[in-house]
Amino acid sequence: DQQVKQNSPSLSVQEGRISILNCDYTNSMFDYFLWYKKYPAEGPTFLISISSIKDKNEDGRFTVFLNKSAKHLSLHIVPSQPGDSAVYFCAARATYSGAGSYQLTFGKGTKLSVIP
Amino acid sequence: NAGVTQTPKFRVLKTGQSMTLLCAQDMNHEYMYWYRQDPGMGLRLIHYSVGEGTTAKGEVPDGYNVSRLKKQNFLLGLESAAPSQTSVYFCASRRTSGRNEQYFGPGTRLTVT
Repeated sequence: DQQVKQNSPSLSVQEGRISILNCDYTNSMFDYFLWYKKYPAEGPTFLISISSIKDKNEDGRFTVFLNKSAKHLSLHIVPSQPGDSAVYFCAARATYSGAGSYQLTFGKGTKLSVIP
Repeated sequence: NAGVTQTPKFRVLKTGQSMTLLCAQDMNHEYMYWYRQDPGMGLRLIHYSVGEGTTAKGEVPDGYNVSRLKKQNFLLGLESAAPSQTSVYFCASRRTSGRNEQYFGPGTRLTVT
């Protein structure tokens, strides 16, 4: 049972345009969400996060939106740059659920290609 | 400050052989994690540790053992490697409080033939 779903395996966007990566979750205990970026042959690196008490968090070109009622979050990248081409993983944590509070549950990732 | 390092970077094993992957972090993090990444499967948690001397099972622990004898090191062992364990293995660490993000190592690519 996949608790964090990234339904788009890949996404292509023109340089300068907006990239929107989507993530859905099923576990209502999740209350903290993170996005990671991964280049080939490297480990994932943290990009941006959001707590469930917020519905938006911004960091430069990156904005994460959270819709708790829909159990949906999205990552917006504006403007997209060729260096943003990578695999993006959505992850979630259930802060107050015992062993689950130590763990992150990851989606399968979306490969973003930004075309110059 | 090297962050999270993993040894080795690549390894080829024959079925039935054993090996140990080493993860080291210099950030004084309490929590450490081992994941595997397979094509189309995302990152799946194998084992984790919330402190020196403690370990716990994650989502896919079968066929693996771990040890956390020192706070800075987290070892992942394969006692009898199987082709199904061909994967890229990532180690990560995290502080106990504050921001929740995990810091990842560069990965170990393991092939079992």
